[in-house]
Amino acid sequence: ILNVEQSPQSLHVQEGDSTNFTCSFPSSNFYALHWYRWETAKSPEALFVMTLNGDEKKKGRISATLNTKEGYSYLYIKGSQPEDSATYLCAFPSGNTPLVFGKGTRLSVIA
Amino acid sequence: GAGVSQSPRYKVTKRGQDVALRCDPISGHVSLYWYRQALGQGPEFLTYFNYEAQQDKSGLPNDRFSAERPEGSISTLTIQRTEQRDSAMYRCASRPDGQGKAFFGQGTRLTVV
Repeated sequence: ILNVEQSPQSLHVQEGDSTNFTCSFPSSNFYALHWYRWETAKSPEALFVMTLNGDEKKKGRISATLNTKEGYSYLYIKGSQPEDSATYLCAFPSGNTPLVFGKGTRLSVIA
Repeated sequence: GAGVSQSPRYKVTKRGQDVALRCDPISGHVSLYWYRQALGQGPEFLTYFNYEAQQDKSGLPNDRFSAERPEGSISTLTIQRTEQRDSAMYRCASRPDGQGKAFFGQGTRLTVV
């Protein structure tokens, strides 16, 4: 099974700060890269599905970029709010392999 | 149904008993995944199906774990002779095809006492 790495493991930021974290994946045989948001006691929900090198997706204050050649994606949150507190997961599906998740980055936004 | 449905939501069982966890995916979704999720951690892959065919079961921890999806819709994850270390949240997800995002069920919290 392919390895998907996320860093940092956890992050504490003040309300209003901008932040970002990383997902690293095998650059060979790239198919797509998913980002999910997971709030405690709920199920993970998809944020973005990214397929093209250089792709940038945006949803409100959250955006993501993709570099398939070097095998990484960044997730950015601008002006963090307490409601952004969650675990952010990336997942890497390949054509012949299952949807494999990283361990996640746990974000805590302190008011 | 409108979303992925898992049952039961909570299961407490005695060590040594067998348990069956059910997943009812979104209608028409091709792929169905089973994950195990420890507290605060990302989902750990167990196995997945495309239609009724089990594509990969390399994530199943040992031969006490098995899964089936006989008609390409509902799936059952079975754990035989449960042990305390099997206690976890078991999540099911479905995807419309090999490219789309995954939709997760609410999970089954299994506790082995």
